Amino acid sequence: GQQLNQSPQSMFIQEGEDVSMNCTSSSIFNTWLWYKQDPGEGPVLLIALYKAGELTSNGRLTAQFGITRKDSFLNISASIPSDVGIYFCAGQLASNTGKLIFGQGTTLQVKP
Amino acid sequence: SQTIHQWPATLVQPVGSPLSLECTVEGTSNPNLYWYRQAAGRGLQLLFYSVGIGQISSEVPQNLSASRPQDRQFILSSKKLLLSDSGFYLCAWSGGGRSNQPQHFGDGTRLSIL
Repeated sequence: GQQLNQSPQSMFIQEGEDVSMNCTSSSIFNTWLWYKQDPGEGPVLLIALYKAGELTSNGRLTAQFGITRKDSFLNISASIPSDVGIYFCAGQLASNTGKLIFGQGTTLQVKP
Repeated sequence: SQTIHQWPATLVQPVGSPLSLECTVEGTSNPNLYWYRQAAGRGLQLLFYSVGIGQISSEVPQNLSASRPQDRQFILSSKKLLLSDSGFYLCAWSGGGRSNQPQHFGDGTRLSIL
């Protein structure tokens, strides 16, 4: 079945540093989504991307839908302690079921 | 605005006991509904999804079942729990009948089997 390769698996950075993570797939997706999950809570949608090449920002977060439609990246600028959590990418195929394929997550730790 | 509710938040059950987790969505009609399981520090595994009342699709063979008795209600059940059923269970919804709709998650149920 389809799989998403998300990297890096974990990151430990200093407050104020920029962060970059990405997802790649052998499948072509119609939609790329990025979520953040805090401990003990459900994932929260950060950014949704709908067109190849699309670059979208949400505050200090920026994500891009790759031109080949097989990859996406998420950047976080000037990290702060509350950025700590697990970040998931998810790809969606063209279907009325809305099913998503999730990456394995990137665990981010920020040192004050 | 749309909201999704899951309960209970935490559950401790003995092996062999039954299970019923409930999820309801408000503020939308005919949503797609999903049940996921997440092992500690791991990604999300899709268990079931539903595109309408009484329509359930199972993604992986397992000890669990799902039902959708009403449009905005999704229930995860088991007749006899196993130790391996422990985990964090998440319910999610997305706009039904259309593609490219993001999923939105509930706050999850932490299930521990003793």
